[in-house]
Amino acid sequence: GNSVTQMEGPVTLSEEAFLTINCTYTATGYPSLFWYVQYPGEGLQLLLKATKADDKGSNKGFEATYRKETTSFHLEKGSVQVSDSAVYFCALLSSGSARQLTFGSGTQLTVLP
Amino acid sequence: AAGVIQSPRHLIKEKRETATLKCYPIPRHDTVYWYQQGPGQDPQFLISFYEKMQSDKGSIPDRFSAQQFSDYHSELNMSSLELGDSALYFCASSSRTGRMNTEAFFGQGTRLTVV
Repeated sequence: GNSVTQMEGPVTLSEEAFLTINCTYTATGYPSLFWYVQYPGEGLQLLLKATKADDKGSNKGFEATYRKETTSFHLEKGSVQVSDSAVYFCALLSSGSARQLTFGSGTQLTVLP
Repeated sequence: AAGVIQSPRHLIKEKRETATLKCYPIPRHDTVYWYQQGPGQDPQFLISFYEKMQSDKGSIPDRFSAQQFSDYHSELNMSSLELGDSALYFCASSSRTGRMNTEAFFGQGTRLTVV
């Protein structure tokens, strides 16, 4: 079945530090890949997406590239801000008849001023 | 832009009671997903519907049932509630285009507390 393995947290960084959160996946077919962000007490918000190999998703300074050869979709940001503190979930949406989002375990990011 | 609407936002029930959660997808979205997120956990897939038919089933207990109506809204019915059912319940919707699904957009969730 499909699975997503995400870098374990929590991750604590100083403001303006470089961020990488690793994500690898196992899936059949051609899944779409996503990063969702969840701020405290709120729902899941789509951060960025990529629907095919070599696509790069980007939003709010975050980037992730769909690497089919390494089955990875690592999240990066060059300079984090305190407001980026949240839980980040990597997810895939299967392309087969069973279409459901499979989430990674989530990574708690705390950015200190 | 219209988003996924869930109601109620908060719900408190006693053990063994029933609860009904409602989800109104983004207009013209044909697929609805339900997820359960326990404290500090990642969202767990419960069930999904495509064009009013159940399309996939995850870790949904037998005490729960769901359906999608003709106007595409969905309801999650939960009976014989247990303390362990306390969680955040998310609904998401997406649109199927050929073999591809667009991204899923999530509602704010319903926080269910069973006491």
